Amino acid sequence: AQKITQTQPGMFVQEKEAVTLDCTYDTSDPSYGLFWYKQPSSGEMIFLIYQGSYDQQNATEGRYSLNFQKARKSANLVISASQLGDSAMYFCAMRELRGSNYKLTFGKGTLLTVNP
Amino acid sequence: SAVISQKPSRDICQRGTSLTIQCQVDSQVTMMFWYRQQPGQSLTLIATANQGSEATYESGFVIDKFPISRPNLTFSTLTVSNMSPEDSSIYLCSVEGGEAFFGQGTRLTVV
Repeated sequence: AQKITQTQPGMFVQEKEAVTLDCTYDTSDPSYGLFWYKQPSSGEMIFLIYQGSYDQQNATEGRYSLNFQKARKSANLVISASQLGDSAMYFCAMRELRGSNYKLTFGKGTLLTVNP
Repeated sequence: SAVISQKPSRDICQRGTSLTIQCQVDSQVTMMFWYRQQPGQSLTLIATANQGSEATYESGFVIDKFPISRPNLTFSTLTVSNMSPEDSSIYLCSVEGGEAFFGQGTRLTVV
């Protein structure tokens, strides 16, 4: 079974609108972290936001917020007030902390296109 | 947050040759990670590099093909050996830490 599932290969949004990118995960480890990255066409991986499994509140970073629903095992990224520069691939990733293994497992990504 | 410098940023190489990618971190870290991203795909972990010990490779990756060095707590190299067109990918290094930062990536094209 996939550990990280991103069901939206591509998404379109109008400039200045909000958009939600979906991510569900699968783990039996009670301690884990969830990450979102943005990858523009240049190829670099830009860290956006992090949510720990024990965090009580949803993480927010500027225009990015993470809708964390632990019982549903979902960690959707919400981008508010979309900008043309938000057009990129977005990856959800998980780090399971059992055994102190810090490696990340990635989803397949969602290509976001912001239309003017 | 750690600042990670990776080079080269891109290269075009002939098949059968090798390329060494360098990753420099501005602070000491115990674990460094090397990922591969094939065209149109997600990131896959190649290996975990700890200072003072041999790298730990993921299933499907072997040391002869992807030798890794980790001479100190701020530096690591990944070599892609005896390259073929199937090795054309983006290679990224990453470090442990709360937010898992990445280097800028190396876009490799093998012709």
